[in-house]
Amino acid sequence: AQKVTQTQTSISVVEKTTVTMDCVYETRDSSYFLFWYKQTASGEIVFLIRQDSYKKENATVGHYSLNFQKPKSSIGLIITATQIEDSAVYFCAMRPTNAYKVIFGKGTHLHVLP
Amino acid sequence: GALVYQYPRRTICKSGTSMRMECQAVGFQATSVAWYRQSPQKTFELIALSTVNSAIKYEQNFTQEKFPISHPNLSFSSMTVLNAYLEDRGLYLCGARVPGTDNNQAPLFGEGTRLSVL
Repeated sequence: AQKVTQTQTSISVVEKTTVTMDCVYETRDSSYFLFWYKQTASGEIVFLIRQDSYKKENATVGHYSLNFQKPKSSIGLIITATQIEDSAVYFCAMRPTNAYKVIFGKGTHLHVLP
Repeated sequence: GALVYQYPRRTICKSGTSMRMECQAVGFQATSVAWYRQSPQKTFELIALSTVNSAIKYEQNFTQEKFPISHPNLSFSSMTVLNAYLEDRGLYLCGARVPGTDNNQAPLFGEGTRLSVL
């Protein structure tokens, strides 16, 4: 079965600090993509960053980076220098290379406090 | 840039009635469009994948009889929720992959249509 699990339902941090959100996944596919999306208060789903399963280097985009630990089936999202506007629900997702379906986790609600 | 625009953003319908939602790809050609539903509990379900000039593939628990989809060209898709009931409430998202971009592996989503059923 394919599954994405985010165990942290809610995290609160003080702005300008670094936060890590956890995600583990299950798949029998040898090749897959891992994504993180952010859902704003309005409901908009915004794509943040992607990790290809065959790449060893951790992806980095702006102040988002990933901690990809393939043997542990883990893909953590790291946000450095958090800002108030980073407050949102963050979803981890996976898509096998040869499939169109994206499987989402249940989300982690990040609260960035002043 | 590429955008996915969904209309309406919010809608309310009476139980047993139907409601149509639209998805527009702006700035790119949406060969395939995937319709998802996010429940009030935030979980996502794939409803169907629609590809121009090809049969629409519905996921288990979703049918054409309940969620008919039209995808007449590379920039537009629509889906109707027929005979809506409470369990159909949620945020309906349209997602499309943008060809020719570095991040074409991740669907680009619209802002969704939030359906409430009375």
